[in-house]
Amino acid sequence: KAGVTQTPRYLIKTRGQQVTLSCSPISGHRSVSWYQQTPGQGLQFLFEYFSETQRNKGNFPGRFSGRQFSNSRSEMNVSTLELGDSALYLCASSFRARGETQYFGPGTRLLVL
Amino acid sequence: AQTVTQSQPEMSVQEAETVTLSCTYDTSESDYYLFWYKQPPSRQMILVIRQEAYKQQNATENRFSVNFQKAAKSFSLKISDSQLGDAAMYFCAYRSVGNYGGSQGNLIFGKGTKLSVKP
Repeated sequence: KAGVTQTPRYLIKTRGQQVTLSCSPISGHRSVSWYQQTPGQGLQFLFEYFSETQRNKGNFPGRFSGRQFSNSRSEMNVSTLELGDSALYLCASSFRARGETQYFGPGTRLLVL
Repeated sequence: AQTVTQSQPEMSVQEAETVTLSCTYDTSESDYYLFWYKQPPSRQMILVIRQEAYKQQNATENRFSVNFQKAAKSFSLKISDSQLGDAAMYFCAYRSVGNYGGSQGNLIFGKGTKLSVKP
């Protein structure tokens, strides 16, 4: 079974631009979560989606948004990029049952110049 | 709010030796899950082991085992017969049980422990 895939793997943007990252979960997994990883703040939770609905949201500004499609694929968007948005963005999927383990994709490394 | 603390930023072990990584957490919940994830230089986050809080028995996966002390809120990872491929960042993570029909509960991570393995 294929793992979680994320595209693109690397991205360079400039301040003020917007970016969209994509995540395809493991086949059959219906829950997708997003995390931001930076050297200073570590791993922080962004959002969780299930059945095209946002179920949980972390403490991030409204510039960070996401959505999930009927095939469980998810996208996250960051508008008006800031230098501090440079990070590794990780997507994780799970089947969606209590206690299910989240499996991570390889991440998208975003650099904002 | 729940917190996870890994007090050892870096550790080193000789190949074939045993090493223990420490993790403590704080929560008022009685039911939850704990995980150890490994992140090698490729940055791919890989599940190492998981523990359900309601289970008293410590989880084991091949050379990896945990010492789960619920009352002390401690969750350490023991790696036996260390191999060069074990070199990575190790993250301890906590997750609430979640709600049916609502949030599954997000992972709360510690800051990580960088493990080096010497040949």
